[in-house]
Formats: sequence, structure tokens, C-alpha cells
Amino acid sequence: ETGVTQTPRHLVMGMTNKKSLKCEQHLGHNAMYWYKQSAKKPLELMFVYSLEERVENNSVPSRFSPECPNSSHLFLHLHTLQPEDSALYLCASSQEGTGDTEAFFGQGTRLTVV
Amino acid sequence: AQSVTQLGSHVSVSEGALVLLRCNYSSSVPPYLFWYVQYPNQGLQLLLKYTSAATLVKGINGFEAEFKKSETSFHLTKPSAHMSDAAEYFCAVTVNAGNMLTFGGGTRLMVKP
Repeated sequence: ETGVTQTPRHLVMGMTNKKSLKCEQHLGHNAMYWYKQSAKKPLELMFVYSLEERVENNSVPSRFSPECPNSSHLFLHLHTLQPEDSALYLCASSQEGTGDTEAFFGQGTRLTVV
Repeated sequence: AQSVTQLGSHVSVSEGALVLLRCNYSSSVPPYLFWYVQYPNQGLQLLLKYTSAATLVKGINGFEAEFKKSETSFHLTKPSAHMSDAAEYFCAVTVNAGNMLTFGGGTRLMVKP
């Protein structure tokens, strides 16, 4: 496995369900990110983890709960979501330290809340 | 805070024609600028990046972009469009070592045969 891998690729869940999105990076990076991509809206940064500590939380509702157990893994725990949370959720990683290193993205999880 | 504006949410060109996708940024400090491409049902792939070295940056698939500080622009160009270039393109900016990217709204490029 290389790069950034996200599972599952597609997820349909009811509003009362609890599910988790998983992200794994094989690049040796020290920072990981969750982005939300909705139709007709710019990509939104949700969470940032640097050296396994959360450093950014862009006013994301508490029904989204991130977890970073180590530098290679990132989870997004979901519970009691709303239909407007349906979107493509993208995970990314980068090597923090200089701003000129690019972020590498996974293929995303397409989430549909019914 | 920094921001990015991409003019034109949809651009249509004929195969073989010039591709020009516009990006303007706002930043109070020297920025790092990126162009990413997204194919359907895929994540984002880096096309090219500006990191304060050369102002004309060459990327993959024949794309290039020129950083113009006076115009606060970083437009993406390709001399001759190919059908496989049809995708969505995102301009992004960061100003700190945290690499927290701020994205523009994206431009969907359509290539007509």
C-alpha cells in the first residue's frame, strides 16, 4: 500500500447510526487532515492533527469526532448525522515543518445520510 | 487570513485549444500556492506548486502556472487541451508551516472533441 488510503469508499447511514471513517497514510508524514467536500461549496478543512495532537477544529459540530491514535492513522467517528452532512470526506497528510510541502490526499469516502 | 478566488466555476474548451484557469489569492504574507486536479470519484492530485523559487512553475501533464505578485494571481495554463484533462481543478494557498490549505471553489474543465 502506498500513499493515503481511505475506507470505506462509500457509506450510507441513517441519522441514528454510528459509523467511522478510516484513513491510513504510508508516507511517513507527521500531520493529517480531514476535509469535507460538499456540492457547490469549497473544500472545508475540518480537523488537523500534528504529531498526533489536534491543532485545528474549524467549528465542526460535535457529531463529528476525530481520533488520531498514531501518526499513520486517522479516524472520523460519526453519530446522529443530518442529511446535510452528506458529502465527500477527504483525508490528507503532509510533512509539517515547511509550508512548501504539499498535502497528499486519499480518494475520499462518499457519505450519504438518509 | 488568506483566501482564494477561482473565476469561472465551469470552463469549456475544444481539444487542442489553450486552457486558462484563473486563480487570485489574498494573503498578508508571502504565500505558497498549489494547483490540484480531481477526477470523478477520486481524491485530489497535485499538479504543481509555487514555493517562492521560480515564478513560472511547470507541473505534470503539460500544465504550468505563473505567480504574479503584482496581480495576486496564479493562473493555470496548458497550451493544448486533451480530452483526458476534463476534471475539476482547485487552487489552494497556505502561509504557514502547518500546511493548512485554503481552497478556491474549483473550476470544472470540459474538453470538447
